[in-house]
Amino acid sequence: QKEVEQNSGPLSVPEGAIASLNCTYSDRGSQSFFWYRQYSGKSPELIMSIYSNGDKEDGRFTAQLNKASQYVSLLIRDSQPSDSATYLCAVNYGGSQGNLIFGKGTKLSVKP
Amino acid sequence: SAVISQKPSRDICQRGTSLTIQCQVDSQVTMMFWYRQQPGQSLTLIATANQGSEATYESGFVIDKFPISRPNLTFSTLTVSNMSPEDSSIYLCSDYDPNTEAFFGQGTRLTVV
Repeated sequence: QKEVEQNSGPLSVPEGAIASLNCTYSDRGSQSFFWYRQYSGKSPELIMSIYSNGDKEDGRFTAQLNKASQYVSLLIRDSQPSDSATYLCAVNYGGSQGNLIFGKGTKLSVKP
Repeated sequence: SAVISQKPSRDICQRGTSLTIQCQVDSQVTMMFWYRQQPGQSLTLIATANQGSEATYESGFVIDKFPISRPNLTFSTLTVSNMSPEDSSIYLCSDYDPNTEAFFGQGTRLTVV
């Protein structure tokens, strides 16, 4: 059973702080990793993708991947109230198959 | 990135009826997927919509309940058949290119009464 695990939260951080979101996955053959942001009542919006070990930065967002530990994280610097949402970790186990396995999501609340 | 248009955005349906959800992509995509998101839950893959062949269903989902069409590389439909209140969910279509990322339509919020 291929699984993606996330803490459901809620994770509460003050405005301006760093929010750290974590995700573990069960299959070492996983190749592609994604973070999606989902506002209530909306569809998921791609935030970051990462394919190789290390860090990948895009603006205030940094994705970190450690395949040996089967761990992927998302850091949000200078958190804003508009970052308050549920963050979904998704893993592509299938290579060309394409279907993603989603974690249950972590609800982030950024307090002004 | 592809732009995915999904409709209807929401509907309220009577139990026992069927609803067909449409998904249009603005470019040709190899794969299209249909997901269900039940209240407070994450996304669960229903099936992969294959162009020119039958859809591939995940465990727990069957063609009689969720028939899917994929007549070309830019369009797919999902029908939720013989609906019951347990089918009340958000249904999402997605594309995926292994060389890029997956993007989602805006979703269909279905309420069965």
